[in-house]
Amino acid sequence: EADIYQTPRYLVIGTGKKITLECSQTMGHDKMYWYQQDPGMELHLIHYSYGVNSTEKGDLSSESTVSRIRTEHFPLTLESARPSHTSQYLCASSVDRGRNTIYFGEGSWLTVV
Amino acid sequence: GEDVEQSLFLSVREGDSSVINCTYTDSSSTYLYWYKQEPGAGLQLLTYIFSNMDMKQDQRLTVLLNKKDKHLSLRIADTQTGDSAIYFCAESPTSGTYKYIFGTGTRLKVLA
Repeated sequence: EADIYQTPRYLVIGTGKKITLECSQTMGHDKMYWYQQDPGMELHLIHYSYGVNSTEKGDLSSESTVSRIRTEHFPLTLESARPSHTSQYLCASSVDRGRNTIYFGEGSWLTVV
Repeated sequence: GEDVEQSLFLSVREGDSSVINCTYTDSSSTYLYWYKQEPGAGLQLLTYIFSNMDMKQDQRLTVLLNKKDKHLSLRIADTQTGDSAIYFCAESPTSGTYKYIFGTGTRLKVLA
């Protein structure tokens, strides 16, 4: 069972507000990821990290930013939320050994009104 | 190029078997996975198969891998209403890359 946690699970905020989505994993995984997914649709990688102080942009351009100051923590921040940011955000982590499996958190549903 | 394709929808009756198919293009992936996503939740790992295997069975789940045709399938025996979800196949990153390639997802609906 994966030990990766996201907060908040659900959030409704007004346009222009700043929001940080939290993600923590207790598995000691080096690699962490943020995906954006509209309901029932494909996953789009927006950020990833190889380890502490490493962050890279993914395939889908996103106005969000991330940081990786500690191995277990990979928060995502939107400085000024817009209705187009309404989506589900999935955090994930993996390690380069064994089955090389990627594990997901339960997701954060963001609605910007 | 990299692409993983799945059919969008599958509907079966409770108690029947479900077969969800996936085709992929990158034959250098070491592992292939199946994930289940229930409404409003993240992706849950169901099972995986090593690329040098043809078949793997895990309780009600059977994974078949045809490397020649780059075809992966997931069979769910005795499908239950609780199996209704979206199923994603995925490839592990190839050496030196970071990227997991996910399919488009198949929405399975189980009719009582």
